[in-house]
Amino acid sequence: DAKTTQPPSMDCAEGRAANLPCNHSTISGNEYVYWYRQIHSQGPQYIIHGLKNNETNEMASLIITEDRKSSTLILPHATLRDTAVYYCIVRVAGGYQKVTFGTGTKLQVIP
Amino acid sequence: EAGVTQFPSHSVIEKGQTVTLRCDPISGHDNLYWYRRVMGKEIKFLLHFVKESKQDESGMPNNRFLAERTGGTYSTLKVQPAELEDSGVYFCASSQDLTDSNEKLFFGSGTQLSVL
Repeated sequence: DAKTTQPPSMDCAEGRAANLPCNHSTISGNEYVYWYRQIHSQGPQYIIHGLKNNETNEMASLIITEDRKSSTLILPHATLRDTAVYYCIVRVAGGYQKVTFGTGTKLQVIP
Repeated sequence: EAGVTQFPSHSVIEKGQTVTLRCDPISGHDNLYWYRRVMGKEIKFLLHFVKESKQDESGMPNNRFLAERTGGTYSTLKVQPAELEDSGVYFCASSQDLTDSNEKLFFGSGTQLSVL
């Protein structure tokens, strides 16, 4: 898996958009950008993934730069329940390659 | 549809004892993964089953850990004998397809293992 770099922590006011950056300058052409999060002591939860186009689902939006060397996860209206550790992972899609978690970004949503 | 279930949710054992953790993946999911999070550390990959075969067991810490997935359904992870450093949360995950670009992992709630 290509290495990713994320800030260790971020704060966001409740109701505002949370923008979580991720650098993946060594990403390969066939590697996707995945985002997972872990809320407190629960199991990690899939959020979104993409290859090169921007993606949006009911949870978040993923913006990938044109050179694919960085991306941003956007939670449009952060709530207190979004407080979690967010992991940016790059890997080839499909089950052959394991998901490798780094240190992630601890997002604290503030009332 | 039931998610990934793990049993037990908590286990407290003494050093030297044996513990077996169980994971039931989502029905129809060929891929099954075990992960572990030791307190204060990152979530670490342990191993990956494709159906009943071990695809990747590079993360298994040592031979005190034995994972099985007989019949390609549920999986067990046995620790024998348990040591203090084995304490942590053990997560299981499953995914459906090896080649689907929309493949994603679904995680269970984990088993909190405490070795005293």
